[in-house]
Amino acid sequence: EAQVTQNPRYLITVTGKKLTVTCSQNMNHEYMSWYRQDPGLGLRQIYYSMNVEVTDKGDVPEGYKVSRKEKRNFPLILESPSPNQTSLYFCASSLSRNSGANVLTFGAGSRLTVL
Amino acid sequence: AQKITQTQPGMFVQEKEAVTLDCTYDTSDQSYGLFWYKQPSSGEMIFLIYQGSYDEQNATEGRYSLNFQKARKSANLVISASQLGDSAMYFCAMREGFQGAQKLVFGQGTRLTINP
Repeated sequence: EAQVTQNPRYLITVTGKKLTVTCSQNMNHEYMSWYRQDPGLGLRQIYYSMNVEVTDKGDVPEGYKVSRKEKRNFPLILESPSPNQTSLYFCASSLSRNSGANVLTFGAGSRLTVL
Repeated sequence: AQKITQTQPGMFVQEKEAVTLDCTYDTSDQSYGLFWYKQPSSGEMIFLIYQGSYDEQNATEGRYSLNFQKARKSANLVISASQLGDSAMYFCAMREGFQGAQKLVFGQGTRLTINP
């Protein structure tokens, strides 16, 4: 089944304890991205990657890191989490052909709570 | 300035009625795409429908249609014959340009509740 898989789905952690949210897709998509969802703000892009070893900041990159060493994987790293990073996180992927119709496929979401 | 605006934080509709969810957008690009996603209480994001800026016909997918009014910069989602399972959060999103990064900009969402 074509899908984007995120882990963990739920995590409670404490301020300052490094964590990684993994993301993997099996659709051979070039483009991958991370979003966070907060009430009243919709989804906002954190980082994106056009292809292997090519990453760039989105709208809210502060406090996050990413890497793209393989095409299928795009982990999100919180080096020193803070309470304002408590949120619902989505990984998403799509083809990157020159078309407006590329549909972004989302993972199931990872709910992170930082105490 | 907000690129995507959804002015209805919540809507309540009787089952089997049609419902229109509003979305207005702001862009100076000629090439752009508009998307609607559904987020049920389980949290996943489900793609519903797409409209390209050059598409002359309004997009339709089953019970979903997109009322695209380019001059007014609106892309309203119409759900016909609503069902209880349509209760969810709905997001309008836009992609500017057809090249390069496939970034979607999302609105704040509208929570739709279908009453039996």
